[in-house]
Amino acid sequence: GQNIDQPTEMTATEGAIVQINCTYQTSGFNGLFWYQQHAGEAPTFLSYNVLDGLEEKGRFSSFLSRSKGYSYLLLKELQMKDSASYLCAVSDSNYQLIWGAGTKLIIKP
Amino acid sequence: IAGITQAPTSQILAAGRRMTLRCTQDMRHNAMYWYRQDLGLGLRLIHYSNTAGTTGKGEVPDGYSVSRANTDDFPLTLASAVPSQTSVYFCASSDSTSGGYTFGSGTRLTVV
Repeated sequence: GQNIDQPTEMTATEGAIVQINCTYQTSGFNGLFWYQQHAGEAPTFLSYNVLDGLEEKGRFSSFLSRSKGYSYLLLKELQMKDSASYLCAVSDSNYQLIWGAGTKLIIKP
Repeated sequence: IAGITQAPTSQILAAGRRMTLRCTQDMRHNAMYWYRQDLGLGLRLIHYSNTAGTTGKGEVPDGYSVSRANTDDFPLTLASAVPSQTSVYFCASSDSTSGGYTFGSGTRLTVV
């Protein structure tokens, strides 16, 4: 079967760094996505990895290891506005996204 | 219109009533999707359409139907609503060349 696993909830302090992990088992792989979703809003695109390695985009970075079926999203210099759910999704052999349940990130001052 | 528009934003519906959730995109994306999102369960695919004129069933299709008469519109119909269909519904589209999804702002549906 297809499965995406990520922690349900994480807590971090403003100004700190947090890493959100995602492991996956899917039929085929055409890339891994991270989305951010604030409460009551739609998911918005953060990052896309299709090759192994680290992709950096400002305060956010995303890493992929295809051989390990593993990715992480790294958030630096945390701000209160980063409080949101972070969704990991894998594009399968049919280019459909398989979604994890999301990680709720709570930022404390 | 810029991106994906969903209507209505929210709705309270009596059980047994028929309801159509509207979704329109102006990006000329081939693929469109309907998801429901419930607390603790994440996004679950209801139906999808890879191109105009074709549709397919997702993970939780029972009680829902869709049509794709043209590229822009992808309505979702609940033939006879039940309380378990209370949820937030998101429409999304994708350009198959990039794979990433663009989401509408969602419809919050309560069936009573």
